Amino acid sequence: GAVVSQHPSRVICKSGTSVKIECRSLDFQATTMFWYRQFPKQSLMLMATSNEGSKATYEQGVEKDKFLINHASLTLSTLTVTSAHPEDSSFYICSASLPQETQYFGPGTRLLVL
Amino acid sequence: GENVEQHPSTLSVQEGDSAVIKCTYSDSASNYFPWYKQELGKGPQLIIDIRSNVGEKKDQRIAVTLNKTAKHFSLHITETQPEDSAVYFCAASFSSGGYQKVTFGTGTKLQVIP
Repeated sequence: GAVVSQHPSRVICKSGTSVKIECRSLDFQATTMFWYRQFPKQSLMLMATSNEGSKATYEQGVEKDKFLINHASLTLSTLTVTSAHPEDSSFYICSASLPQETQYFGPGTRLLVL
Repeated sequence: GENVEQHPSTLSVQEGDSAVIKCTYSDSASNYFPWYKQELGKGPQLIIDIRSNVGEKKDQRIAVTLNKTAKHFSLHITETQPEDSAVYFCAASFSSGGYQKVTFGTGTKLQVIP
């Protein structure tokens, strides 16, 4: 299957700072990338969908000014959590896909905001 | 929107026994049904998928069945092994805006007892 990487795998930051998470499709060009958030023992919650070169589409209830998404190329999308607070602590997972194809997930990024 | 229900939430089986996880979906537009395995602290990994024009698909010890009329689909794992222990998510998806919009089930924690 296709390989998707995420960096960093875990990050600890102070409240009020911003954190950037990178998602890369390593062996294919992903026209669409997705960002999910997962709380402990819960399912994946879609935050936003991004297509290369266009603005991301955010799900209802997700603050676009807080969770900035950039999809600058067919192999790279970034999620920036701005002015992070402890309630933003979570497991963030990206996925990537070709048009109408399966989503392949990255290994996730554990964010802890102190 | 689509709603996916998954049962059971937890499942314990003896090594060598079979495990069955069942899901239902609500939107008849859904036409692609992937299953993901998620190990602790990792991203979901695609293990098998089925499209709506197929009733059953098998890959070694894993099989998936789909009943479009009843909007049911199931995952069957035979000859379970301890390394099958993980959380399994079913998903239902349909085409939307050039990509597959995926809705996940709530997950099943499978424990295989040696």
